[in-house]
Amino acid sequence: GDSVTQMEGPVTLSEEAFLTINCTYTATGYPSLFWYVQYPGEGLQLLLKATKADDKGSNKGFEATYRKETTSFHLEKGSVQVSDSAVYFCAQAGGYGNKLVFGAGTILRVKS
Amino acid sequence: EAGVAQSPRYKIIEKRQSVAFWCNPISGHATLYWYQQILGQGPKLLIQFQNNGVVDDSQLPKDRFSAERLKGVDSTLKIQPAKLEDSAVYLCASSLGTGGRASYEQYFGPGTRLTVT
Repeated sequence: GDSVTQMEGPVTLSEEAFLTINCTYTATGYPSLFWYVQYPGEGLQLLLKATKADDKGSNKGFEATYRKETTSFHLEKGSVQVSDSAVYFCAQAGGYGNKLVFGAGTILRVKS
Repeated sequence: EAGVAQSPRYKIIEKRQSVAFWCNPISGHATLYWYQQILGQGPKLLIQFQNNGVVDDSQLPKDRFSAERLKGVDSTLKIQPAKLEDSAVYLCASSLGTGGRASYEQYFGPGTRLTVT
């Protein structure tokens, strides 16, 4: 079945460091891909999305490119801030009902 | 624009008791989803409604979980009787519809944290 695998955390970085969180997917069709973020004590928020191969989603300095050939959607940010500390979820949606299938989440901790 | 509303935010019950959660989606959103998020895991879809009809309930434990969406707006999710493994955050989300990729984006509520003791 459809699934999403993302790198295990926690990931601990110093402020202004470069961030990469790996995400790969398996799907029978051509899903849309998403990154959601969950800040402490808050609900899930859509961070960015891409709907077809080679699309690049970007928001708040984060970006991810839909790579069909490697079935990947890695999240990157050039310079993280303490306020980026959160849990990041990679997800895909496609097929009947467009239900979201999530990865397990990656905890990001940024130290000042 | 008001977001997805959920209540209560927190609930503690003993095993074998019953509990109900309420969700009010964004106005005009035809599709409503209930997810279960166990600590340390990603959310898992329990049930999806399109208006007041069920689209997908394949992962809903129907022996103890039930959900309804009367009149195609608000929804309630019930657990009866609760088990220890039901401790999780229950998330409600809504989207405009399933007519195409432009309408698929899901907006999440703050969730209800359930603790079963």
